[in-house]
Amino acid sequence: GDSVTQMEGPVTLSEEAFLTINCTYTATGYPSLFWYVQYPGEGLQLLLKATKADDKGSNKGFEATYRKETTSFHLEKGSVQVSDSAVYFCALKPNAGGTSYGKLTFGQGTILTVHP
Amino acid sequence: DTEVTQTPKHLVMGMTNKKSLKCEQHMGHRAMYWYKQKAKKPPELMFVYSYEKLSINESVPSRFSPECPNSSLLNLHLHALQPEDSALYLCASSQGQTFQETQYFGPGTRLLVL
Repeated sequence: GDSVTQMEGPVTLSEEAFLTINCTYTATGYPSLFWYVQYPGEGLQLLLKATKADDKGSNKGFEATYRKETTSFHLEKGSVQVSDSAVYFCALKPNAGGTSYGKLTFGQGTILTVHP
Repeated sequence: DTEVTQTPKHLVMGMTNKKSLKCEQHMGHRAMYWYKQKAKKPPELMFVYSYEKLSINESVPSRFSPECPNSSLLNLHLHALQPEDSALYLCASSQGQTFQETQYFGPGTRLLVL
């Protein structure tokens, strides 16, 4: 079945450091890929997405590129801020039918803490 | 506007109570979802409604009963819950269920079952 693997956290960085959160996936065909962020005490917010190979999603200084050859969708940000402290979820949605149709498959989440 | 609203924000209930969670969206989305999220875990899908009809039930116990009165509203009726049902309940919506469409989440209802 479909699956998403994220790098284990927690990740702790100083403000202005470079961020990478690794995400790899297993799926049939060409799924859509998403990064969601969950701030403390809140629901999930879409951070960015990509729907086909080589697409780059970007938002609020975060970027991720859909790499079909490595089945990856790593999240990067050049300079993190304290306000970026949150849990980050990588997710996929398959483009095939069957029992997985329309369902999001999430990774386990990565806790990011940014210190001043 | 990509807002999904949920009420109440917090709910405490006993194991014999009956309560309901409410979710609303005015984006014209035709698919709506209920998820359950335990602390430090990803959301787990419970139910999906598509065009106001239940399309997916992820083998959820019958003490959880979803309802979609119209295309903008989604309810989750709770009855005889167990303490292990304590969690954050998230509602989401999307234009449809195709793979390209984004699910937008509400802020959640934090449920505590005593």
